Amino acid sequence: AQTVTQSQPEMSVQEAETVTLSCTYDTSESDYYLFWYKQPPSRQMILVIRQEAYKQQNATENRFSVNFQKAAKSFSLKISDSQLGDAAMYFCAYNTAGTASKLTFGTGTRLQVTL
Amino acid sequence: NAGVTQTPKFRILKIGQSMTLQCTQDMNHNYMYWYRQDPGMGLKLIYYSVGAGITDKGEVPNGYNVSRSTTEDFPLRLELAAPSQTSVYFCASSYSSRGNTEAFFGQGTRLTVV
Repeated sequence: AQTVTQSQPEMSVQEAETVTLSCTYDTSESDYYLFWYKQPPSRQMILVIRQEAYKQQNATENRFSVNFQKAAKSFSLKISDSQLGDAAMYFCAYNTAGTASKLTFGTGTRLQVTL
Repeated sequence: NAGVTQTPKFRILKIGQSMTLQCTQDMNHNYMYWYRQDPGMGLKLIYYSVGAGITDKGEVPNGYNVSRSTTEDFPLRLELAAPSQTSVYFCASSYSSRGNTEAFFGQGTRLTVV
């Protein structure tokens, strides 16, 4: 079975600064997908960014980018120019190819954004 | 566009009671899921459905039942509630079987069993 580990329960960043959230995973599969989901205080999970394991190029979505290291099984999220609205729980998730959205989640990192 | 709607948002149950958590989506997605989120943990898959009339177990199905009679609705039934079922429950949907498909989540139901 796959596992996802987020070793940082809490992180803090000042507004306009950059922060990196860590995620590692364990799998024996070669074809899979990785995600970062945001859970604001409203509780509703929102997709931030996704990465296909077969793509070497790191995904980028505006201020959000990932550092995907397949050999190291590492998938970190970088948030640039942090904003107050970025404060939330961030979950790293894994999915096997062809299995719809049967996601395996990490335990989450709570991000605080300070002025 | 409502997306995925869950009701109720909060509920307190007594041990041994039963209830149904409702979930409906208006995006015509074939795939629907139920996850639970325990404090300090990530979400775990309870059940999922690939279309009307087809359901299957996820990682933590014990104590739950589901049905999928329509594309829109995917209710989760708790029989004989136990304190271990205290959790936040999320319903989600997606439009494709591809593993990179975005899952759309509801706002969750916070359930407390006392």
